[in-house]
Amino acid sequence: DAGVTQSPTHLIKTRGQHVTLRCSPISGHKSVSWYQQVLGQGPQFIFQYYEKEERGRGNFPDRFSARQFPNYSSELNVNALLLGDSALYLCASSLQGSTYNEQFFGPGTRLTVL
Amino acid sequence: AQSVTQLDSQVPVFEEAPVELRCNYSSSVSVYLFWYVQYPNQGLQLLLKYLSGSTLVKGINGFEAEFNKSQTSFHLRKPSVHISDTAEYFCAVSDKSRDDKIIFGKGTRLHILP
Repeated sequence: DAGVTQSPTHLIKTRGQHVTLRCSPISGHKSVSWYQQVLGQGPQFIFQYYEKEERGRGNFPDRFSARQFPNYSSELNVNALLLGDSALYLCASSLQGSTYNEQFFGPGTRLTVL
Repeated sequence: AQSVTQLDSQVPVFEEAPVELRCNYSSSVSVYLFWYVQYPNQGLQLLLKYLSGSTLVKGINGFEAEFNKSQTSFHLRKPSVHISDTAEYFCAVSDKSRDDKIIFGKGTRLHILP
């Protein structure tokens, strides 16, 4: 069975640009969460979507937005990129929204902002 | 607000020796607790989790952890490490009543010495 997939693997952007990251959950999983992992730090929660509705939001500026599609895949959008947005962006899927259910992580998208 | 403190940023240990990675959390509510492992250039993999019940939790790859509510700790142990255990280990917590996100510690890098 395929695990969580993310695209692209790597991305280089310049300050002020916009970026879209994509995530496909494990088949049958209805929840997708997004995390930002800055080098040398633990992942930080950005969003959780369950059944296409936002279920949780972390302390990130409005430049960050996301959505979940009818097939449960998800996109994370970041506008007006800053150097500090350089990080590994991780997507995790689970059967349902609660963290009681195991979250399965994808390999991540490494974003570099120049 | 919840937080996780991993007391050691790096832990060197000889192969086949025992290891303990320390984790303390702060929370005024009931929590779920997790340990994740991240191998180089990969996403996160769940090692074990405490949801309720027995305070001693056994996970994959011979790891175990003990939940100590009075000391708000969830230390990870392995009786005999192997070179393949070289990785970054993250302790994490989630609020049971608001279970939309996982809060991660900064990580502990485990170095296995030959």
